[in-house]
Amino acid sequence: DGGITQSPKYLFRKEGQNVTLSCEQNLNHDAMYWYRQDPGQGLRLIYYSQIVNDFQKGDIAEGYSVSREKKESFPLTVTSAQKNPTAFYLCASSIPAGELFFGEGSRLTVL
Amino acid sequence: RKEVEQDPGPFNVPEGATVAFNCTYSNSASQSFFWYRQDCRKEPKLLMSVYSSGNEDGRFTAQLNRASQYISLLIRDSKLSDSATYLCGGSGGYNKLIFGAGTRLAVHP
Repeated sequence: DGGITQSPKYLFRKEGQNVTLSCEQNLNHDAMYWYRQDPGQGLRLIYYSQIVNDFQKGDIAEGYSVSREKKESFPLTVTSAQKNPTAFYLCASSIPAGELFFGEGSRLTVL
Repeated sequence: RKEVEQDPGPFNVPEGATVAFNCTYSNSASQSFFWYRQDCRKEPKLLMSVYSSGNEDGRFTAQLNRASQYISLLIRDSKLSDSATYLCGGSGGYNKLIFGAGTRLAVHP
Protein backbone atom coordinates (compact mmCIF):
# COMPACT_ATOMS: atom_id res chain seq x y z
CA ASP A 1 0.00 0.00 0.00
CA GLY A 2 1.18 3.52 -0.74
CA GLY A 3 1.89 5.83 2.13
CA ILE A 4 4.36 7.66 4.32
CA THR A 5 6.43 5.92 6.93
CA GLN A 6 8.07 7.76 9.80
CA SER A 7 10.49 6.23 12.25
CA PRO A 8 11.04 5.95 15.06
CA LYS A 9 7.61 6.49 16.54
CA TYR A 10 9.04 7.41 19.94
CA LEU A 11 12.51 8.73 20.61
CA PHE A 12 14.30 9.87 23.73
CA ARG A 13 17.37 12.05 23.52
CA LYS A 14 19.80 13.45 26.00
CA GLU A 15 20.53 17.14 25.86
CA GLY A 16 23.34 17.95 23.48
CA GLN A 17 22.71 14.99 21.17
CA ASN A 18 21.72 15.17 17.54
CA VAL A 19 18.95 12.85 16.38
CA THR A 20 17.66 12.02 12.91
CA LEU A 21 14.03 11.27 12.15
CA SER A 22 13.32 9.19 9.08
CA CYS A 23 10.56 9.86 6.55
CA GLU A 24 9.97 7.65 3.51
CA GLN A 25 7.14 7.85 0.98
CA ASN A 26 6.14 5.60 -1.92
CA LEU A 27 3.42 7.86 -3.28
CA ASN A 28 5.72 9.26 -5.98
CA HIS A 29 5.14 12.77 -4.62
CA ASP A 30 7.58 15.50 -5.53
CA ALA A 31 6.97 17.64 -2.43
CA MET A 32 7.78 16.69 1.15
CA TYR A 33 7.41 18.61 4.40
CA TRP A 34 8.35 18.53 8.06
CA TYR A 35 6.10 20.07 10.70
CA ARG A 36 6.44 20.39 14.43
CA GLN A 37 3.46 20.26 16.79
CA ASP A 38 3.55 21.21 20.47
CA PRO A 39 0.77 20.23 22.90
CA GLY A 40 -2.42 22.13 22.15
CA GLN A 41 -0.81 23.88 19.20
CA GLY A 42 -1.16 23.75 15.46
CA LEU A 43 1.45 22.63 12.95
CA ARG A 44 4.50 24.79 12.35
CA LEU A 45 6.53 24.29 9.19
CA ILE A 46 10.21 23.42 9.73
CA TYR A 47 11.48 22.62 6.22
CA TYR A 48 9.96 21.67 2.90
CA SER A 49 11.24 20.34 -0.38
CA GLN A 50 9.57 20.70 -3.76
CA ILE A 51 12.02 18.51 -5.65
CA VAL A 52 15.04 16.28 -5.16
CA ASN A 53 18.24 18.08 -4.09
CA ASP A 54 16.35 21.22 -3.18
CA PHE A 55 14.71 22.38 0.07
CA GLN A 56 13.64 25.60 1.76
CA LYS A 57 13.39 26.78 5.34
CA GLY A 58 9.99 27.05 6.89
CA ASP A 59 8.99 29.25 9.79
CA ILE A 60 11.03 27.51 12.50
CA ALA A 61 14.10 26.04 10.76
CA GLU A 62 16.67 27.07 13.37
CA GLY A 63 18.26 24.06 15.03
CA TYR A 64 17.12 21.63 12.33
CA SER A 65 18.65 20.31 9.12
CA VAL A 66 17.33 18.20 6.24
CA SER A 67 18.48 16.52 3.05
CA ARG A 68 16.64 15.39 -0.06
CA GLU A 69 18.96 13.08 -1.94
CA LYS A 70 16.17 10.78 -3.10
CA LYS A 71 12.59 11.49 -4.08
CA GLU A 72 11.32 8.98 -1.54
CA SER A 73 13.25 10.19 1.46
CA PHE A 74 13.36 13.41 3.50
CA PRO A 75 15.16 12.87 6.83
CA LEU A 76 15.12 15.54 9.52
CA THR A 77 18.01 16.04 11.94
CA VAL A 78 17.27 17.75 15.22
CA THR A 79 20.58 19.25 16.27
CA SER A 80 21.85 20.24 19.69
CA ALA A 81 21.28 23.85 18.64
CA GLN A 82 17.52 23.31 18.92
CA LYS A 83 16.86 24.57 22.43
CA ASN A 84 13.44 23.06 22.98
CA PRO A 85 13.18 19.95 20.80
CA THR A 86 10.55 17.98 22.74
CA ALA A 87 7.59 17.83 20.36
CA PHE A 88 5.56 15.75 17.93
CA TYR A 89 7.16 15.76 14.47
CA LEU A 90 5.07 15.14 11.38
CA CYS A 91 6.30 14.42 7.88
CA ALA A 92 4.03 14.88 4.88
CA SER A 93 4.13 14.68 1.10
CA SER A 94 2.02 16.00 -1.72
CA ILE A 95 1.75 16.70 -5.41
CA PRO A 96 2.25 20.42 -6.18
CA ALA A 97 -0.59 22.47 -4.63
CA GLY A 98 -2.31 19.27 -3.57
CA GLU A 99 -3.44 18.04 -0.19
CA LEU A 100 -0.84 16.73 2.23
CA PHE A 101 -0.61 13.11 3.23
CA PHE A 102 0.89 12.70 6.69
CA GLY A 103 2.94 10.00 8.33
CA GLU A 104 1.99 8.80 11.80
CA GLY A 105 4.50 11.10 13.42
CA SER A 106 7.54 10.81 15.64
CA ARG A 107 7.35 11.86 19.27
CA LEU A 108 10.69 13.19 20.53
CA THR A 109 11.37 13.69 24.22
CA VAL A 110 14.53 15.29 25.57
CA LEU A 111 15.59 13.95 28.94
CA ARG B 1 -0.33 38.66 11.88
CA LYS B 2 -0.30 34.88 11.40
CA GLU B 3 -0.78 33.62 7.86
CA VAL B 4 -3.67 31.39 8.89
CA GLU B 5 -5.79 32.03 11.98
CA GLN B 6 -8.52 29.99 13.63
CA ASP B 7 -10.68 30.34 16.72
CA PRO B 8 -9.06 27.81 19.10
CA GLY B 9 -12.35 26.95 20.80
CA PRO B 10 -13.15 24.62 22.38
CA PHE B 11 -16.59 24.39 20.91
CA ASN B 12 -18.78 22.30 23.22
CA VAL B 13 -21.98 21.25 21.46
CA PRO B 14 -24.68 18.64 22.03
CA GLU B 15 -25.23 15.79 19.64
CA GLY B 16 -27.31 16.85 16.68
CA ALA B 17 -26.16 20.46 16.77
CA THR B 18 -24.84 22.40 13.80
CA VAL B 19 -21.45 23.99 14.32
CA ALA B 20 -19.42 26.30 12.10
CA PHE B 21 -15.71 27.04 12.12
CA ASN B 22 -14.06 29.96 10.38
CA CYS B 23 -10.48 30.37 9.32
CA THR B 24 -8.88 33.53 7.94
CA TYR B 25 -5.78 33.76 5.80
CA SER B 26 -3.54 36.72 5.08
CA ASN B 27 -1.86 35.72 1.81
CA SER B 28 -4.18 36.83 -0.98
CA ALA B 29 -2.14 34.72 -3.42
CA SER B 30 -3.09 31.49 -1.65
CA GLN B 31 -4.67 29.08 -4.09
CA SER B 32 -5.32 25.84 -2.26
CA PHE B 33 -7.23 25.34 0.98
CA PHE B 34 -7.99 22.29 3.05
CA TRP B 35 -9.69 21.19 6.26
CA TYR B 36 -8.02 18.42 8.24
CA ARG B 37 -9.25 16.49 11.24
CA GLN B 38 -6.79 15.51 13.96
CA ASP B 39 -7.57 13.11 16.78
CA CYS B 40 -5.61 13.25 20.01
CA ARG B 41 -1.97 12.19 19.52
CA LYS B 42 -2.58 11.17 15.91
CA GLU B 43 -1.62 12.59 12.56
CA PRO B 44 -3.99 14.97 10.73
CA LYS B 45 -6.21 13.41 8.10
CA LEU B 46 -7.79 15.22 5.20
CA LEU B 47 -11.43 16.02 5.77
CA MET B 48 -12.13 18.20 2.76
CA SER B 49 -10.47 20.24 0.08
CA VAL B 50 -12.06 23.68 -0.29
CA TYR B 51 -13.06 24.86 -3.73
CA SER B 52 -14.12 28.31 -4.87
CA SER B 53 -17.64 27.10 -5.53
CA GLY B 54 -17.92 25.47 -2.14
CA ASN B 55 -18.25 21.77 -1.62
CA GLU B 56 -20.29 19.38 0.44
CA ASP B 57 -19.65 15.87 1.66
CA GLY B 58 -22.50 14.43 3.65
CA ARG B 59 -22.86 16.42 6.85
CA PHE B 60 -19.83 18.59 6.07
CA THR B 61 -19.82 21.74 3.95
CA ALA B 62 -16.77 23.85 3.17
CA GLN B 63 -16.81 27.31 1.63
CA LEU B 64 -14.23 29.79 0.45
CA ASN B 65 -14.70 33.55 0.46
CA ARG B 66 -11.78 35.08 -1.43
CA ALA B 67 -12.98 38.67 -1.04
CA SER B 68 -12.91 38.41 2.75
CA GLN B 69 -10.08 35.85 2.79
CA TYR B 70 -11.72 33.23 4.93
CA ILE B 71 -12.75 29.63 4.65
CA SER B 72 -15.45 27.94 6.65
CA LEU B 73 -16.46 24.46 7.70
CA LEU B 74 -20.02 23.62 8.66
CA ILE B 75 -20.86 20.38 10.43
CA ARG B 76 -24.53 19.46 10.60
CA ASP B 77 -26.11 16.90 12.92
CA SER B 78 -22.97 16.57 15.07
CA LYS B 79 -22.01 13.09 16.25
CA LEU B 80 -19.96 12.12 19.28
CA SER B 81 -17.36 10.81 16.83
CA ASP B 82 -16.91 14.31 15.39
CA SER B 83 -15.04 15.32 18.56
CA ALA B 84 -11.55 16.22 17.39
CA THR B 85 -9.38 19.18 16.46
CA TYR B 86 -10.04 20.71 13.06
CA LEU B 87 -7.12 22.32 11.25
CA CYS B 88 -7.40 24.61 8.29
CA GLY B 89 -4.53 24.94 5.87
CA GLY B 90 -3.78 27.33 3.03
CA SER B 91 -1.01 27.42 0.48
CA GLY B 92 1.53 30.03 1.54
CA GLY B 93 3.45 30.43 -1.67
CA TYR B 94 6.00 28.03 -3.22
CA ASN B 95 3.32 25.37 -2.70
CA LYS B 96 3.98 25.14 1.04
CA LEU B 97 0.94 24.58 3.20
CA ILE B 98 0.50 26.73 6.32
CA PHE B 99 -1.86 25.64 9.06
CA GLY B 100 -3.87 27.44 11.68
CA ALA B 101 -3.57 26.45 15.33
CA GLY B 102 -6.68 24.28 15.11
CA THR B 103 -10.17 24.44 16.59
CA ARG B 104 -11.20 21.89 19.18
CA LEU B 105 -14.67 20.43 18.98
CA ALA B 106 -16.25 18.45 21.80
CA VAL B 107 -19.65 16.87 21.09
CA HIS B 108 -21.49 15.67 24.18
CA PRO B 109 -24.56 13.44 24.60
